[in-house]
Amino acid sequence: KAGVTQTPRYLIKTRGQQVTLSCSPISGHRSVSWYQQTPGQGLQFLFEYFSETQRNKGNFPGRFSGRQFSNSRSEMNVSTLELGDSALYLCASRSDTDTQYFGPGTRLTVL
Amino acid sequence: DAKTTQPPSMDCAEGRAANLPCNHSTISGNEYVYWYRQIHSQGPQYIIHGLKNNETNEMASLIITEDRKSSTLILPHATLRDTAVYYCIVRVAQYGNKLVFGAGTILRVKS
Repeated sequence: KAGVTQTPRYLIKTRGQQVTLSCSPISGHRSVSWYQQTPGQGLQFLFEYFSETQRNKGNFPGRFSGRQFSNSRSEMNVSTLELGDSALYLCASRSDTDTQYFGPGTRLTVL
Repeated sequence: DAKTTQPPSMDCAEGRAANLPCNHSTISGNEYVYWYRQIHSQGPQYIIHGLKNNETNEMASLIITEDRKSSTLILPHATLRDTAVYYCIVRVAQYGNKLVFGAGTILRVKS
C-alpha cells in the first residue's frame, strides 16, 4: 500500500496570508490527524477527523481549521499567518488497529 | 504532558544492539506503550507497540517490565540509518485519542 501523502512538501508564505495543506491517508484508513512540529514546542496535536467529522481538537487558536472529505482526504487551513506558524505540519493516518502512520510533512515558512 | 521519561541522548556502535529505556511509572492498565522514531526533518515512523507482553517485529523488540512501569526498545543490530530521535509514548488505544510526544531520545549510531 502507498503511504500517507502530503502536498505541498514545502511552502513559503508571508504574514497575513492564508494557507491550505492537503493530506491523503493510506487506502482504507478513515481517520486523519494533524500535528505541528516546531523546535520550541516539539510535536503538538492539532485535530483529528473521522468520517468527515472532527473528533478531537488540540489547543490551537481558531485560525487553524481543517476538514475531511468523503474519500478520507483531509485539508488543514491556517488563516492570517504569523511568523510563529512556521513549522513542519504532519498528517497521520490511523489504521483499524489504531496505529497512526505519518506522512513526510509539509514545511511551512512564514516570512 | 508526556507521561514518559527518556534519556536525552545515547550513543551506540554500528552493528551492536541499541537498548533505549523508557520510564512510565504512572501508566494505567489500559494504556499501551508505543515507540516512534523521527529521522531528521521526516515524519515520525511507527516502530512497535505493546500492552504487557514483549513484542517483536522486523524492526525491533519491545520489552515491558512485569509491573509495566518501564520498557526497553531494542534495535538488535544498529546501523547508521537508525540515527534518529526515538519517542516512547503511552496512550489508551481508543479512537480520537491523540499521541502526546515528549522530547524523546536522540540515538547516535557511530561507525
